[in-house]
Amino acid sequence: TQLLEQSPQFLSIQEGENLTVYCNSSSVFSSLQWYRQEPGEGPVLLVTVVTGGEVKKLKRLTFQFGDARKDSSLHITAAQPGDTGLYLCAGPSADSWGKLQFGAGTQVVVTP
Amino acid sequence: GAVVSQHPSRVICKSGTSVKIECRSLDFQATTMFWYRQFPKQSLMLMATSNEGSKATYEQGVEKDKFLINHASLTLSTLTVTSAHPEDSSFYICSAAGTANSYEQYFGPGTRLTVT
Repeated sequence: TQLLEQSPQFLSIQEGENLTVYCNSSSVFSSLQWYRQEPGEGPVLLVTVVTGGEVKKLKRLTFQFGDARKDSSLHITAAQPGDTGLYLCAGPSADSWGKLQFGAGTQVVVTP
Repeated sequence: GAVVSQHPSRVICKSGTSVKIECRSLDFQATTMFWYRQFPKQSLMLMATSNEGSKATYEQGVEKDKFLINHASLTLSTLTVTSAHPEDSSFYICSAAGTANSYEQYFGPGTRLTVT
């Protein structure tokens, strides 16, 4: 079974601070995705990283895929209260086509 | 693009009754849809994979006779919780995978089921 371990589980910071969320595995993934979920809503796809060493930026969010394609990180610069949510990483499951393996999630709270 | 809707968004039902939840892909055809269950402050737990025109594939431990899934078209999948009990109360989320990139899933807004 491919496991995706996210850390930390919970992060509380003040507006303007930076934060990094990590997603690690002992398995190689062909791609990894990051989602953000707000309370009472479904997850929203933020980015897909495919190439080892790849860095993608989405405004204040920077996503990196490890060279060996076993890990990824999400860095938020100058966090805002609107960044509050559950951040989930996910990768293709080895079990069957189309299925995703999700990490346990990181709950981020940004206070004004 | 890639919009997925769910209906209803919230439902309260009495123990022993059945509830149907619809999941629709609004602007693309979804060959595969997935049904998840989520407990508070936890990640998503996959219940089943629904393929248009064929039987759903259930994850280990999920009762197929209790959670009936029908994927009648490329834009609609339904989940029916039969003979609901209070322990079935949860947040149910569907997702749809498009044909272009099978590993990107687009999620519906979720359905909050409360069984009294």
